[in-house]
Amino acid sequence: DQQVKQNSPSLSVQEGRISILNCDYTNSMFDYFLWYKKYPAEGPTFLISISSIKDKNEDGRFTVFLNKSAKHLSLHIVPSQPGDSAVYFCAASPYGGATNKLIFGTGTLLAVQP
Amino acid sequence: AAGVIQSPRHLIKEKRETATLKCYPIPRHDTVYWYQQGPGQDPQFLISFYEKMQSDKGSIPDRFSAQQFSDYHSELNMSSLELGDSALYFCASSGWTSGGAPYNEQFFGPGTRLTVL
Repeated sequence: DQQVKQNSPSLSVQEGRISILNCDYTNSMFDYFLWYKKYPAEGPTFLISISSIKDKNEDGRFTVFLNKSAKHLSLHIVPSQPGDSAVYFCAASPYGGATNKLIFGTGTLLAVQP
Repeated sequence: AAGVIQSPRHLIKEKRETATLKCYPIPRHDTVYWYQQGPGQDPQFLISFYEKMQSDKGSIPDRFSAQQFSDYHSELNMSSLELGDSALYFCASSGWTSGGAPYNEQFFGPGTRLTVL
């Protein structure tokens, strides 16, 4: 039972354009969401997070939007750079922010073309 | 800055053997998490420890056990290994900022790739 879903296994974007990665979840009790980036042979690296009391959080080129009624969040990367090419995981925490277990989506492979 | 250290990075074992994976959290982090990522799959939570006590348990087989030691490092012990145990095993840690607030993220190590033949 996949509680966090990333329905696009891959995404290709031109350098300088916007990348939009989507994530859906099924459990309305999730209260904290995170995005991680993962390069091959490395562990996931934290990008940005959002609490369920907010609908938007921005950090530089990265913005996460949360639509609680639709149980949907998205990560926007503007402008996209070739170094952004990686697998992006959406993760949700059922309680207590990031201090408890994270439930991950299946990931989206982003390829930014020069 | 110091990161989470995992050892070994690669491990090859035969079926029915045992394996021990080690995790050294970031200094002053008191919580450790273990995740398993099978081929083409998302990381699955196994178990976590806070202040040397088990704090949560996920889909960890009974053949696996883990503990956190007084220096906060953690070990994942895996016995009677099966082919299906072949995966990447990630350790993550979290703690508190100097201001007393919890970090907004878990910090992941590079993982241990376990191959069971």
